[in-house]
Amino acid sequence: QAVVTQEPSLTVSPGGTVTLTCGSSTGAVTSGHYPYWFQQKPGQAPRTLIYETTNKHSWTPARFSGSLLGGKAALTLSGAQPEDEAEYYCLLTYTDAWVFGGGTKLTVL
Amino acid sequence: EVQLVETGGSLIQPGGSLRLSCAASGFTLSAHYMSWVRQAPGKGLEWVSVMYSGGNTYYADSVKGRFTISRDISKNTLFLQMNSLRAEDTAVYHCVKGPWNYWGQGTLVTVSS
Repeated sequence: QAVVTQEPSLTVSPGGTVTLTCGSSTGAVTSGHYPYWFQQKPGQAPRTLIYETTNKHSWTPARFSGSLLGGKAALTLSGAQPEDEAEYYCLLTYTDAWVFGGGTKLTVL
Repeated sequence: EVQLVETGGSLIQPGGSLRLSCAASGFTLSAHYMSWVRQAPGKGLEWVSVMYSGGNTYYADSVKGRFTISRDISKNTLFLQMNSLRAEDTAVYHCVKGPWNYWGQGTLVTVSS
């Protein structure tokens, strides 16, 4: 099965902007991979932030946005808050499987 | 209100079998695709299996041939039958409602002698 890659860790300053990316071993990520983004804080179940590339749930803070960027799926956080410190996972769909990325540990410092 | 409650996790010896259940409420389980996702201690998320509304099922290579996903429409419940368990199957197992918008809190499976 395909391998999905994410940055292992990133750091952003409070109020700053950061972009997390999600690549695929099979080539460019497209909308056909239906990219999802999840946030997980310690001791909690993941929660979905972005679905199908760009769409937000009612609970998704407006400072998060999803896109396709340079052949990858991207999650941009604009105006980082301390509570955004968490692990972020992307998820892509393939013909017969879903595959998670390894996760990005985001530090707000 | 959508709720997903997983049960069935326990300590089991290598080679053993276990069946996990995911009781759904607030929606009709069979109208959505449903997945199992696991997370080993201190590790990332791993997709395990999916059952689509039409009944098609798919599995991660790591569990293919050992795990079986199924559902009971009358009980609005999703299952994961796990056979030939290995130490590397140790994880918290979550059920997730498609399209990935609701997660259960998970049930812990520990495979150890």
